[in-house]
Amino acid sequence: DAGVTQSPTHLIKTRGQQVTLRCSPKSGHDTVSWYQQALGQGPQFIFQYYEEEERQRGNFPDRFSGHQFPNYSSELNVNALLLGDSALYLCASSLGDRVYGYTFGSGTRLTVV
Amino acid sequence: AQKITQTQPGMFVQEKEAVTLDCTYDTSDPSYGLFWYKQPSSGEMIFLIYQGSYDQQNATEGRYSLNFQKARKSANLVISASQLGDSAMYFCAMREERSNYQLIWGAGTKLIIKP
Repeated sequence: DAGVTQSPTHLIKTRGQQVTLRCSPKSGHDTVSWYQQALGQGPQFIFQYYEEEERQRGNFPDRFSGHQFPNYSSELNVNALLLGDSALYLCASSLGDRVYGYTFGSGTRLTVV
Repeated sequence: AQKITQTQPGMFVQEKEAVTLDCTYDTSDPSYGLFWYKQPSSGEMIFLIYQGSYDQQNATEGRYSLNFQKARKSANLVISASQLGDSAMYFCAMREERSNYQLIWGAGTKLIIKP
């Protein structure tokens, strides 16, 4: 049973560039949440997608956007990258609104130089 | 104000000993849930245990138990008989019913088990 798959695992980008991170949820899950985890800190909620719509959003600027596809996979896009966007980006999938049942991927490590 | 506070940045524990990781929280929402996750160096967050605000008994999952003291707003994780594989970052997180779908996280505790 495949868990949550994130790609790529590592990425280096230059300030001002744009980046797209991808997430395939666990089989049977229909909801995808994205978190940003800066080094030495706990994760911060970016947003959650359900039924191809952004259901809830955390305190992140509009440079952060997302998408969910009909097969429930999701993308996180970040425009105009800043050095402060360097972090581990975690994707979590769940069924419906069951936060209890989160399954996390291993994340994408983004470095902005 | 911090909603989740983990006061122990790092801990060293001898193998086979029990360990308690501290977590205090702050919320005015009467309905909330508390979670503990383990994050090994691979980066994946692994769910350990959950406690609902209305649960009467402390949650237990194998070697993990949650010492829930509602009046003190604390939700400490207890790991019995620690193993070398328990070495990892441990995070406490909370979901408030009013904020629905997001988890609010503490800064984590790095646990190192010594052989």
